[in-house]
Amino acid sequence: GNSVTQMEGPVTLSEEAFLTINCTYTATGYPSLFWYVQYPGEGLQLLLKATKADDKGSNKGFEATYRKETTSFHLEKGSVQVSDSAVYFCALISNTGNQFYFGTGTSLTVIP
Amino acid sequence: GAVVSQHPSRVICKSGTSVKIECRSLDFQATTMFWYRQFPKQSLMLMATSNEGSKATYEQGVEKDKFLINHASLTLSTLTVTSAHPEDSSFYICSARGGGQYEQYFGPGTRLTVT
Repeated sequence: GNSVTQMEGPVTLSEEAFLTINCTYTATGYPSLFWYVQYPGEGLQLLLKATKADDKGSNKGFEATYRKETTSFHLEKGSVQVSDSAVYFCALISNTGNQFYFGTGTSLTVIP
Repeated sequence: GAVVSQHPSRVICKSGTSVKIECRSLDFQATTMFWYRQFPKQSLMLMATSNEGSKATYEQGVEKDKFLINHASLTLSTLTVTSAHPEDSSFYICSARGGGQYEQYFGPGTRLTVT
């Protein structure tokens, strides 16, 4: 079956620290992989995506590389800001289906 | 880019009443819409999938008579929580997908509080 496993939070970092949020997946077929961000009280916003192996998604300084050999899609940012404080969800959609599978979310708090 | 709106953003209702939440795709035709529920500090749980003009497909454990979904047009789906109870209080999020696409676009969510 399809599933996403995310690093448990919460994560607290100082401003300008390096961020990694781990995400691994199990999927049938060749999934597309996503990172969504949810700011307090808001819905989900697409942060980045990758649709095939070795693709790198990037946006707003965040990056994630689709690693088929390790079934991973870890989210990284070199220097976080206070405004990055949010909950981050890793997700996949299988190319054989139409349903998103979300990880449990990782809460990030960046302190000045 | 594709925009999905939800209305209302927040609603408070009394136990036993019904509440309707609207989900609209503003700049594309959504052949499929999805309804999710999110509990505090948890991930999204898919409740149901609806295709325009068809009956919704509900996920296991979701009461179809309690959560009525209507997808009457290519730009509008509604979720009605009937006879709401405090345990129905949650954050409800819809998403929409256009024909021939796999990517879903999420609405901003509706916070439902049942007193």
